Amino acid sequence: GQQVMQIPQYQHVQEGEDFTTYCNSSTTLSNIQWYKQRPGGHPVFLIQLVKSGEVKKQKRLTFQFGEAKKNSSLHITATQTTDVGTYFCSGTSGSRLTFGEGTQLTVNP
Amino acid sequence: EAGVAQSPRYKIIEKRQSVAFWCNPISGHATLYWYQQILGQGPKLLIQFQNNGVVDDSQLPKDRFSAERLKGVDSTLKIQPAKLEDSAVYLCASSSPQGTIYGYTFGSGTRLTVV
Repeated sequence: GQQVMQIPQYQHVQEGEDFTTYCNSSTTLSNIQWYKQRPGGHPVFLIQLVKSGEVKKQKRLTFQFGEAKKNSSLHITATQTTDVGTYFCSGTSGSRLTFGEGTQLTVNP
Repeated sequence: EAGVAQSPRYKIIEKRQSVAFWCNPISGHATLYWYQQILGQGPKLLIQFQNNGVVDDSQLPKDRFSAERLKGVDSTLKIQPAKLEDSAVYLCASSSPQGTIYGYTFGSGTRLTVV
């Protein structure tokens, strides 16, 4: 079945440093979504990427979808303490959205 | 707009007991999902409804889990009998008729502890 893998599993950064998480799928995806889950909270939708090679930005966050539509990345510039949480990528193949295991980000002030 | 409502927020039961979770999606959202999230892992799809029909229940352990969405609005997920490994957060989500362009909206979840 479809598998979505994320690395790294954990990332600790100093406030102001950059952060990147990578997502790889075992199958070609029709789209990829990114979610953020704060400690004790539920996943909150950040963005959806659909086109091959697509790049989208939200303030300090940059999202990329690979040319082959099997990988994606999320980059945060100059992290802040409010960025703490687990970032999940999730890919759609057919009608099912499959989540990766997430990257847990901690930010030291 | 109101979010996805779930209840109860927490539940502690003994193994072999039964438990039920309730979800009310965002008004007008035809697609409803139940996900299981074990601590430290990503959400895993259990079942997907389109209106009151099942689209995907291939990962639902049907010997003990059941779900229904009568009238195509709110939904109930049941576990009977519960096992220790069912301890997890059960998340309900819904998505708009326009598809997933706006992503899934998740409820706050029900944290189940089986002892």
